[in-house]
Amino acid sequence: QKEVEQNSGPLSVPEGAIASLNCTYSDRGSQSFFWYRQYSGKSPELIMSIYSNGDKEDGRFTAQLNKASQYVSLLIRDSQPSDSATYLCAGPGGYNKLIFGAGTRLAVHP
Amino acid sequence: DTAVSQTPKYLVTQMGNDKSIKCEQNLGHDTMYWYKQDSKKFLKIMFSYNNKELIINETVPNRFSPKSPDKAHLNLHINSLELGDSAVYFCASTKGARTADTQYFGPGTRLTVL
Repeated sequence: QKEVEQNSGPLSVPEGAIASLNCTYSDRGSQSFFWYRQYSGKSPELIMSIYSNGDKEDGRFTAQLNKASQYVSLLIRDSQPSDSATYLCAGPGGYNKLIFGAGTRLAVHP
Repeated sequence: DTAVSQTPKYLVTQMGNDKSIKCEQNLGHDTMYWYKQDSKKFLKIMFSYNNKELIINETVPNRFSPKSPDKAHLNLHINSLELGDSAVYFCASTKGARTADTQYFGPGTRLTVL
């Protein structure tokens, strides 16, 4: 059974700090990974996708994929209170299917 | 313009009742999904349709029956509701049927079974 695991948190960081969110996966053959952000009471929205080893940067967000160690991470630089949300890591679970981790709750305090 | 919409937003009902949730997407996508998110925020796929054809049917009680009248609509009917069915149900759509395709989620339907 393919799995994606995350620390549920909460992860608390001060405003302006770097928030580091981590995710591990079980299927060594997985190629693509996604980070979704979900505000309380709202639906998930895609913020980053990554398909190859290394880093991918988009504004304040950097996704990192290490296939040898089977982990994916999301770094949020200059964290803002508006970044406070649950971050869901997702990976392939088979044809046309994503499996999601349980999510890490991030709290950015002023 | 709403991309993926769901009705109703909230649904409160008694155990044993039958209820339906409707989903519509105006993105022109070929694939639609139903997810269940429990109180611990765990988001789990239930069903997926591609061009009105069922392609994913996870281990879900057969009290849950999806129906896709056309590729823009995917409904979920639940018979004999149980307390454990209480959750938020999200509809989503993707352009194609690849896992790499971005999932666009609807606003969710919060189902409470009393």
